[in-house]
Amino acid sequence: EVQMVVSGGGLVQPGGSLRLSCAASGFTFTSFYMSWVRQAPGKGLEWVANIDQDGSKEYYADSVKGRFTISRDNARTSVYLQMNSLRVEDTAVYYCARSSAAYVWGQGTLVTVSS
Amino acid sequence: DIQLTQSPSFLSASVGDRVTITCRASQDIDDYLAWYQQKPGKAPTLLIYAASILETGVPSRFSGRKSGTEFTLTISSLQPEDLASYYCHQLKAYPVTLGGGTKVEIK
Repeated sequence: EVQMVVSGGGLVQPGGSLRLSCAASGFTFTSFYMSWVRQAPGKGLEWVANIDQDGSKEYYADSVKGRFTISRDNARTSVYLQMNSLRVEDTAVYYCARSSAAYVWGQGTLVTVSS
Repeated sequence: DIQLTQSPSFLSASVGDRVTITCRASQDIDDYLAWYQQKPGKAPTLLIYAASILETGVPSRFSGRKSGTEFTLTISSLQPEDLASYYCHQLKAYPVTLGGGTKVEIK
């Protein structure tokens, strides 16, 4: 069974940093791009970032470019999202997803940016 | 950027009704379109990929169709468990974009 377990969410002050982790299992991790997608409270889904199979290519939404970094550790079958210079508008549930012809979604974790 | 315009944003229908949600892409995206269902408080789940291919395990009352740059998700006979929001998603080009969502209510 495909599973992605996300951890690392929480409350952080504006300007602060947080690192999300996504532990994947149930599929050949090295065969897939991985993605982060977020959803602000009561809003729709917003794509955040993608990373290719060996971590050599990264893609970002303009809203997070220069502040967020996606990475992966294929030995640990995990993908990460380092979030720096956080803003109030980054408050959202962050989902990890396996990417191919479509996304297969893991659970989400809530990130709250507030003073 | 490729924009996806999803409509309606809200619909209310009765059990057994046929329901159609539309997603219009601002440019050609071939068949690189997926549909997801998101139930309240849950992560989205994949319904359809490549515009019309039903994901394994998804009930056959769900179907997807493409006509040019217009994509439709149809629920042939609405069931109580279909209460959810539905999103379209293009994977043709970066930045990846998703439609604004359609919230389906059961009358």
